[in-house]
Amino acid sequence: EVQLVESGGGLVQPGGSLTLSCAASGFSFSSSWMTWVRQAPGKGLEWVANIKKDGSGKYYVDSVNGRFTISRDNAKNSLYLQMNSLRAEDTAVYYCARDLSPAPHFDAFDIWGQGTMVTVSS
Amino acid sequence: AIQMTQSPSSLSASVGDRVTITCRASQGIRNDLGWYQQKPGKVPKLLIYGASSLQSGVPSRFSGSGSGTDFTLTISSLQPEDFATYYCLQDYAYPRTFGQGTRLEIK
Repeated sequence: EVQLVESGGGLVQPGGSLTLSCAASGFSFSSSWMTWVRQAPGKGLEWVANIKKDGSGKYYVDSVNGRFTISRDNAKNSLYLQMNSLRAEDTAVYYCARDLSPAPHFDAFDIWGQGTMVTVSS
Repeated sequence: AIQMTQSPSSLSASVGDRVTITCRASQGIRNDLGWYQQKPGKVPKLLIYGASSLQSGVPSRFSGSGSGTDFTLTISSLQPEDFATYYCLQDYAYPRTFGQGTRLEIK
């Protein structure tokens, strides 16, 4: 079965750290760009970061650049998001998604995890 | 960052209606745009990529068009399962940016 399963969410105090994991199965993880997208409660979708197939390229939204680090372990079919210096505005459901990459310059997030909730509050 | 503006923000329509949602980019993005559907409590679903390419398994009543700065998602004949929130996403430049969403409700 093709799936992505996130874990690692929870309640953390402002300024704290958390690492999210995303376990992939049923498709060639090492051949796929991967992405994190988040959604604050009652709000829209926000692209957070993505990573190249081999981990050599990483891109971030400005609001998390320098605080979050995306990484992957292709041997473990796993994607990670290390989040430091967390702020209240980082509170959201975090989704990992596979980029189908149907063409060199097209993103297409065709497989999504169920999401993991991160709450930043004292 | 490229800003994506969707209109309308919400829309009421009836089963069988033809519906069009618009997404405008703050600068030209070629045809580097996707459309996603999200139902309450569910994960987003890819509908369209490359502005007009229908994702496998998505009903043909969904179509996308546009290039440059103006894009549309059209549902030719609304079905009960289509009532959801729709988002556009530009993948022309980093950071990727979503539109704010269009909530499609039953009239």
